[in-house]
Amino acid sequence: GAVVSQHPSRVICKSGTSVKIECRSLDFQATTMFWYRQFPKKSLMLMATSNEGSKATYEQGVEKDKFLINHASLTLSTLTVTSAHPEDSSFYICSARSRGGSVDTQYFGPGTRLTVL
Amino acid sequence: SQQGEEDPQALSIQEGENATMNCSYKTSINNLQWYRQNSGRGLVHLILIRSNEREKHSGRLRVTLDTSKKSSSLLITASRAADTASYFCATDSNSGYALNFGKGTSLLVTP
Repeated sequence: GAVVSQHPSRVICKSGTSVKIECRSLDFQATTMFWYRQFPKKSLMLMATSNEGSKATYEQGVEKDKFLINHASLTLSTLTVTSAHPEDSSFYICSARSRGGSVDTQYFGPGTRLTVL
Repeated sequence: SQQGEEDPQALSIQEGENATMNCSYKTSINNLQWYRQNSGRGLVHLILIRSNEREKHSGRLRVTLDTSKKSSSLLITASRAADTASYFCATDSNSGYALNFGKGTSLLVTP
């Protein structure tokens, strides 16, 4: 099946630094990628929808200047958490929908655990 | 916003028993999917059921969908310790193809 990777899998950073998380579709072209956030023992919350070559669409309550999303190619989307603070600590998961694929099918990455000290 | 609501929130059973988890949602959907997540890991897609389907099987999994009640159930038969995980239902959103996830059911299967 289709594979989506995320890098890094874990990151620990100091408060005030910026962290970039990559989401790659390894064997297919992803026209749309989604970024989710998950707090411990909670569900996934959609943060933004990223379409290749256009600006991301953010969900209500998600600061676009705080969470910068770039979908520069059909296989790569990046999420940058700018000036991270402890409350940004979370599990970030991306998913990708393939070009020409079923609209029902999304492939999820393994997630990135962010800890801000 | 979260659309799906699973119950129970937590379920503890013994190996060999069946586990049933339920999910309710609020708006109309095109399809409903069930995912599994081991602690601290990514999501594994289990099964998708379309709005015009009522029941679907995949191995030890059985999913039902009642669009009139806006609810779905996931049945895992003959559970195994390896089935221990969190299970989420997810529905497609009206704004695009993103998924709305429920709060999840934490399943513990003891040997």
